[in-house]
Amino acid sequence: NAGVTQTPKFQVLKTGQSMTLQCAQDMNHEYMSWYRQDPGMGLRLIHYSVGAGITDQGEVPNGYNVSRSTTEDFPLRLLSAAPSQTSVYFCASSPDRAYGYTFGSGTRLTVV
Amino acid sequence: RKEVEQDPGPFNVPEGATVAFNCTYSNSASQSFFWYRQDCRKEPKLLMSVYSSGNEDGRFTAQLNRASQYISLLIRDSKLSDSATYLCVVIDTGRRALTFGSGTRLQVQP
Repeated sequence: NAGVTQTPKFQVLKTGQSMTLQCAQDMNHEYMSWYRQDPGMGLRLIHYSVGAGITDQGEVPNGYNVSRSTTEDFPLRLLSAAPSQTSVYFCASSPDRAYGYTFGSGTRLTVV
Repeated sequence: RKEVEQDPGPFNVPEGATVAFNCTYSNSASQSFFWYRQDCRKEPKLLMSVYSSGNEDGRFTAQLNRASQYISLLIRDSKLSDSATYLCVVIDTGRRALTFGSGTRLQVQP
């Protein structure tokens, strides 16, 4: 099993550009979520999903969109990149909130 | 006030030492509790779940005190490979995703 796969691993964007961070899992997990990690801030929840067609906002949703058309995929869209979105982004999935989440290896994004 | 608070450390301990990390959470509706480990520039990995009765996994022991809203992790006989950041994580009733503490850094020295 591949687990949780994130692409790309690294990305540099110019201010104002848009892009989609991909996340796919092959474990048939219902719960998926996106986090960003900044130095000294820990991991903060951006958006999450409890199943196909169901998404909700987390702690820091502004500037990001998500959709969940299939159980496997949970892409994160940056609408108009800003330097404040420079961060490491992690996608994670879980079969149930009582269980731990499995994380992807992350996407390191720099906005210049 | 942060929802999950941890001492950032670093904790510098010699090999073979016993070290304990503490974590407090503010939301009394929190239902599930975990300790994750994160190595430098890597993704977080689940270390262990934390149960009300306390649980042990080899050299690692986790405790939960719901009345005090307090979680702990004890590492016995520290190894060099234990050097990492340890993240305290909770899930509350309303939100079905994780809330992280900022992490406690552990450096085990030879």
